Formats: sequence, C-alpha cells, structure tokens
Amino acid sequence: DAKTTQPPSMDCAEGRAANLPCNHSTISGNEYVYWYRQIHSQGPQYIIHGLKNNETNEMASLIITEDRKSSTLILPHATLRDTAVYYCIGHSNTGKLIFGQGTTLQVKP
Amino acid sequence: GAVVSQHPSRVICKSGTSVKIECRSLDFQATTMFWYRQFPKKSLMLMATSNEGSKATYEQGVEKDKFLINHASLTLSTLTVTSAHPEDSSFYICSATPARYNEQFFGPGTRLTVL
Repeated sequence: DAKTTQPPSMDCAEGRAANLPCNHSTISGNEYVYWYRQIHSQGPQYIIHGLKNNETNEMASLIITEDRKSSTLILPHATLRDTAVYYCIGHSNTGKLIFGQGTTLQVKP
Repeated sequence: GAVVSQHPSRVICKSGTSVKIECRSLDFQATTMFWYRQFPKKSLMLMATSNEGSKATYEQGVEKDKFLINHASLTLSTLTVTSAHPEDSSFYICSATPARYNEQFFGPGTRLTVL
C-alpha cells in the first residue's frame, strides 16, 4: 500500500471550506485513495474514496490529480464537529488499512 | 450505513488477568474483521486480520499467544488479551468490511486499563 504524506495540523474557520492535502506519489494503478477521520476517543469514520475521478458525497469532495500523486479532501462548510484527525490512505484490495499520522484539523469559531 | 459495535467500551483489570473484547457487525455480514490498537496521541496500528472460520493473520511484532483472536461467525470477532500487563493498556478498535464493499467500518473502540 502506498505511503502517504499529510501536514500534521491545519486550522479552518467555521463555515469556510477546509482543504486537506495528501501526497501519495508512490501509489500504484490499482490503489484507491481513502479518507477517514477520527474524532477524539472514537473509532475512525469513513469519509470518501476514489481511484482517479473526482468524487463527491454528502460529507465531502475528493479531488485527485491527473497523475494520481496527490489528492485533496474538501469539507465545503466546516463546522466545529468536523474537528478531528483526518487520515489519507492508499489502499489496494488486500483489505488492510495502514494508517499514517494524519492531519489534525481544528475548526475554530 | 453499516454499524459495528464493540463491547465493553471500557474495562479496567488487574495485571495478570485476561480480558475479552467483542466486535460485532450489526447489520451486515463480515467475512473479514481487523483489530487495531492506538496509544495516546498516536495513530492506529494494525494488529491482525481476522477471517471467519480460519486463523487470524498477525502483523509483525504482534504476539499471537498474547492477543488471541477468534472469528467464529460472520458477525462476531473476539480479541482476548491474555495475562494483561500495564503496557497492554491501550485503545483497541475493530473494523469490518461488508461483502462487495472496499471500505471498512469501525467500531467505537474499547479502552483497556491494566492496573
């Protein structure tokens, strides 16, 4: 599974869009990019995943560059409840998820 | 959405005792479940992959005799921490994958404290 690199922390103002970057330059052609988040003392929550096309669901949008070496998770209108650690994971069909250190997003009023 | 539960949510035990943690998929069948542990301010570390009806596959450095995993049905996997010691104190989290899906759904975690 691809190694991913994320900034350790980010701040975002409440109501504004939060853009969380992730580098995955070693990702292989059959690996998906998955995003999870973990609110303090809870289990991780699935957000979104994609292979090469941009994806959107009720929680977020995922923008993947054409070369697939990086992606950005977008929370369009961040709320205080979006404060969490966000994990970007390159994931093949082995089933295993290998978590990196993630980005701690702090949404501020 | 798919729901995974864990029981207990918190447990405190004495050193030397064994503790069993249950992981259940409530509204789907999961042929594969995963067990993670997480220390304070650290990321999740995969411990083992649990397949229904077969032996678990442990990650390097995880003692299989210390952390016994049983996956007896398509909705239940258990992790038993045997002869627990204070260094086993951690947050244990399970996840499960429904058939035909790639994403994993996580349980709420179990906080183990060994005195």
